[in-house]
Amino acid sequence: DAGITQSPRYKITETGRQVTLMCHQTWSHSYMFWYRQDLGHGLRLIYYSAAADITDKGEVPDGYVVSRSKTENFPLTLESATRSQTSVYFCASIRTRQTNTEAFFGQGTRLTVV
Amino acid sequence: GNSVTQMEGPVTLSEEAFLTINCTYTATGYPSLFWYVQYPGEGLQLLLKATKADDKGSNKGFEATYRKETTSFHLEKGSVQVSDSAVYFCALRRAQDDKIIFGKGTRLHILP
Repeated sequence: DAGITQSPRYKITETGRQVTLMCHQTWSHSYMFWYRQDLGHGLRLIYYSAAADITDKGEVPDGYVVSRSKTENFPLTLESATRSQTSVYFCASIRTRQTNTEAFFGQGTRLTVV
Repeated sequence: GNSVTQMEGPVTLSEEAFLTINCTYTATGYPSLFWYVQYPGEGLQLLLKATKADDKGSNKGFEATYRKETTSFHLEKGSVQVSDSAVYFCALRRAQDDKIIFGKGTRLHILP
């Protein structure tokens, strides 16, 4: 199906484990983003990517790693999960650099670190 | 720096009431402004947008006008429905890089 999909939708992991959240979009959009959503903080940008092999830090990048070897995929890895990384993670994509184009969001991944 | 401030929630209204959710921003240059809506268990989806001063975005009975002089983009609806219950996010996309900045969100409850 066309669109932007995240997997898994739900994940429980233990402190210290590595976990990867997947994001795939079928539109060949240039820009992709990872946000985390927490009560009282709204959405905070973790990392973003302007194109394949180009990534940049957002507001809260510590403890996360991203890669973008293909335009359509933008995985987010928690190298050593901590309880403070319990959150809902959203991936988004934007077609062009023009500021009037909107972002399209995935359904989110609810991650619990125990 | 660039930021978006929106009114704290939750906002609780009766069906058919008038809705206003305030949003103000700080930004350099001329950002585009957006309202996104998040229904329970779902991702965000675009509700409306405005790309330059005095533009009015509208969709599903919601409206917001880009006011550069007051740096505001308040969301309004004349008569809300129970199905409008959701979290609403004001956002800007800034011109100098590719980032989107979101407000903290306002939870809206509509009572039948």
